[in-house]
Amino acid sequence: GQSLEQPSEVTAVEGAIVQINCTYQTSGFYGLSWYQQHDGGAPTFLSYNALDGLEETGRFSSFLSRSDSYGYLLLQELQMKDSASYFCAVRDRVSGTYKYIFGTGTRLKVLA
Amino acid sequence: EAGVTQFPSHSVIEKGQTVTLRCDPISGHDNLYWYRRVMGKEIKFLLHFVKESKQDESGMPNNRFLAERTGGTYSTLKVQPAELEDSGVYFCASSQTGKYGYTFGSGTRLTVV
Repeated sequence: GQSLEQPSEVTAVEGAIVQINCTYQTSGFYGLSWYQQHDGGAPTFLSYNALDGLEETGRFSSFLSRSDSYGYLLLQELQMKDSASYFCAVRDRVSGTYKYIFGTGTRLKVLA
Repeated sequence: EAGVTQFPSHSVIEKGQTVTLRCDPISGHDNLYWYRRVMGKEIKFLLHFVKESKQDESGMPNNRFLAERTGGTYSTLKVQPAELEDSGVYFCASSQTGKYGYTFGSGTRLTVV
């Protein structure tokens, strides 16, 4: 079967650094993505890691360790607008086509 | 470019009724996906179109759900007859072949009462 685990909620203060972890168990693995979703909005693509290591995009970084089936999203210099849900998603392949399997999401609350 | 558009944004229907959700993907995106999120749970895969062909419908819950993609453009997801457990937010996403990121719509919040 396939499963992804991430914390349900994380709280941090403005200006701080927060790390959201994701562990996964899948039959096939082609990459790990992160999506951000504000309440009532569309999930938006943040990052994609196919290989081990850290990818940095501005204040956000994403890390992958395929041997540990583990990844994380690192958010630096937190801002109030970062309050949202963050989903990790594994890129899987079935019948020759790719799709994402999503986790249950982590709700990040940024406090002033 | 215009994003992924979903209609309606909200729908409240009675158990046993029929509802049709529509998704207009980004022009030129061959891949179209339907996902569903039930209260607090994961965003669950329903099915995947490549152009007008269903490539993977392994996530469709049962035969009360019917998805179509006319001419490889917009897609509809029909639920007939709706049951209480069908309530949730239905998301549509599209992507270009070979691209990793999906562009999601804002979803249709379906409530079956």
